[in-house]
Amino acid sequence: ETGVTQTPRHLVMGMTNKKSLKCEQHLGHNAMYWYKQSAKKPLELMFVYNFKEQTENNSVPSRFSPECPNSSHLFLHLHTLQPEDSALYLCASSPTGANEQFFGPGTRLTVL
Amino acid sequence: AQSVSQHNHHVILSEAASLELGCNYSYGGTVNLFWYVQYPGQHLQLLLKYFSGDPLVKGIKGFEAEFIKSKFSFNLRKPSVQWSDTAEYFCAVNALLGGYSTLTFGKGTMLLVSP
Repeated sequence: ETGVTQTPRHLVMGMTNKKSLKCEQHLGHNAMYWYKQSAKKPLELMFVYNFKEQTENNSVPSRFSPECPNSSHLFLHLHTLQPEDSALYLCASSPTGANEQFFGPGTRLTVL
Repeated sequence: AQSVSQHNHHVILSEAASLELGCNYSYGGTVNLFWYVQYPGQHLQLLLKYFSGDPLVKGIKGFEAEFIKSKFSFNLRKPSVQWSDTAEYFCAVNALLGGYSTLTFGKGTMLLVSP
């Protein structure tokens, strides 16, 4: 356990569905991240939030929409996804000004 | 932009064999370097990290890594692997931007240790 939880752990959705991934951290960190982990590819940073403000968006398609209502919670809203979006989505957090990130267990997403 | 290269995508070893996983990075500035491990079905965990000081860093479970600045390398080593070391290993380089950290990961090396 790293103190970062993600729900659901597994999600299967159709291309027309709308779903949301949730991440929660109880570590008192101020920065939170979404990563995508696909087979045979490096972890890809998708979004960064620092003090609830989005500070980075790595050219992610608009069908992925992040939301950070407070420093402890991070959401990733999904709509009209494509099969190639199937992957493990990882959430991480870090203290401001620190280098180490703490990862959640991930949500395994399958888009049919 | 920084990048990280891991030389081996798959490594298969017998128990008690020695391990060395290669990692090279490209980044012009000061780097902080990490090795993360992902055991089957588990989350990414920090194995060890280098920020400054002694270039030979020791991590959990008997792992160590050596930062060689002239070679832009941060190779992971373990003298004698165990079956429980079967996992995927990720090298990462960090940059601090505006008060938060961003990590760039390598593609990972899948290590399989046979009993």
